Amino acid sequence: QKEVEQNSGPLSVPEGAIASLNCTYSDRGSQSFFWYRQYSGKSPELIMSIYSNGDKEDGRFTAQLNKASQYVSLLIRDSQPSDSATYLCAVRANDYKLSFGAGTTVTVRA
Amino acid sequence: DADVTQTPRNRITKTGKRIMLECSQTKGHDRMYWYRQDPGLGLRLIYYSFDVKDINKGEISDGYSVSRQAQAKFSLSLESAIPNQTALYFCATSGRANIQYFGAGTRLSVL
Repeated sequence: QKEVEQNSGPLSVPEGAIASLNCTYSDRGSQSFFWYRQYSGKSPELIMSIYSNGDKEDGRFTAQLNKASQYVSLLIRDSQPSDSATYLCAVRANDYKLSFGAGTTVTVRA
Repeated sequence: DADVTQTPRNRITKTGKRIMLECSQTKGHDRMYWYRQDPGLGLRLIYYSFDVKDINKGEISDGYSVSRQAQAKFSLSLESAIPNQTALYFCATSGRANIQYFGAGTRLSVL
């Protein structure tokens, strides 16, 4: 079993719709959770971090964490063509290393 | 100027050659990391270092070595490159919050 798994995608959504990305993790001791966005050929950039159960909102992005279910998600509201990218879920356990999922590619159709 | 700088940005080499990828940072972070990225596999950790005297293997360290020359510099070496080391390589740094910041990447092709 992979440490961090994401829905494989690709995910295609119309402009203005909500894109929903899911991530599950295997280490119950994981403490910190991150979403990175990566444009094709570019480096990953952090868009959200979440550390406690519940929702965290930042502009059009909402991260949701449920530690009991070992599940973290990212919602992108009012999706724009500029949101077309690969989104990487990353999880930190006690050893301070990050484990990354394989990523979900999102395409926003104009 | 970028906070995390990787050189070279692109490299083509032949099987059996030794190559070095370099990373330098101006963020003042103690922690530095080397990852490789392959299509469909996400980012996989090669080596990491939490300070100048600390070097640790990641999940795919075979065939690679590293050197932490200073707090700001962390180099990755391929002693004898092989074709399946063709990949996109990223250096990253983090502070105590463990938010990682990535360099622009090095695209390596081993022929």
